[in-house]
Amino acid sequence: QKEVEQDPGPLSVPEGAIVSLNCTYSNSAFQYFMWYRQYSRKGPELLMYTYSSGNKEDGRFTAQVDKSSKYISLFIRDSQPSDSATYLCAIPMDSNYQLIWGAGTKLIIKP
Amino acid sequence: NAGVMQNPRHLVRRRGQEARLRCSPMKGHSHVYWYRQLPEEGLKFMVYLQKENIIDESGMPKERFSAEFPKEGPSILRIQQVVRGDSAAYFCASSPGQGLGYTEAFFGQGTRLTVV
Repeated sequence: QKEVEQDPGPLSVPEGAIVSLNCTYSNSAFQYFMWYRQYSRKGPELLMYTYSSGNKEDGRFTAQVDKSSKYISLFIRDSQPSDSATYLCAIPMDSNYQLIWGAGTKLIIKP
Repeated sequence: NAGVMQNPRHLVRRRGQEARLRCSPMKGHSHVYWYRQLPEEGLKFMVYLQKENIIDESGMPKERFSAEFPKEGPSILRIQQVVRGDSAAYFCASSPGQGLGYTEAFFGQGTRLTVV
């Protein structure tokens, strides 16, 4: 079993829809959770960084952690074509620079 | 600030040749990390360096791979005697302090290595 699992998609939704992107993880000791966005042929950029359980909101983006289910989610409200990208979840191991990454979900927002 | 600069963007090497990948961190950043991304897979940590020091190379293959971050100039990831399995995107990130959880930590655009 991989330490972090993520559905590769692609996930295609119409503009304006609410998008839900998810990852599951296996190690209950993980405390920090990160979401990155990666445009085609670009490097990943950090979107959200959350600690433990609960929700964190930043503009149209909400990150949610459910530690009891080992499930993390990223919601995008009022999705835009410019949100079309691959979204990767990442979890720091013991150090804060060794990240375990999901394979990424490719998101397509149709105008 | 030009961001994290990686070059070349694309590199083609024949099996057995050497590949040299460069990463110039953002101005003011002294922490550099190298990651590798295989097709359809997540990124994998390779090495963490500070100026003139390798801090953690636990993710780097023991043979053929080496990394440095000299006092002057960019960080270099060197792959000797490349094989087809080395074909991947190699990303460099830099940060002002240790760790990638900073909003000021950034990734470069990557070098896509193709071994033919």
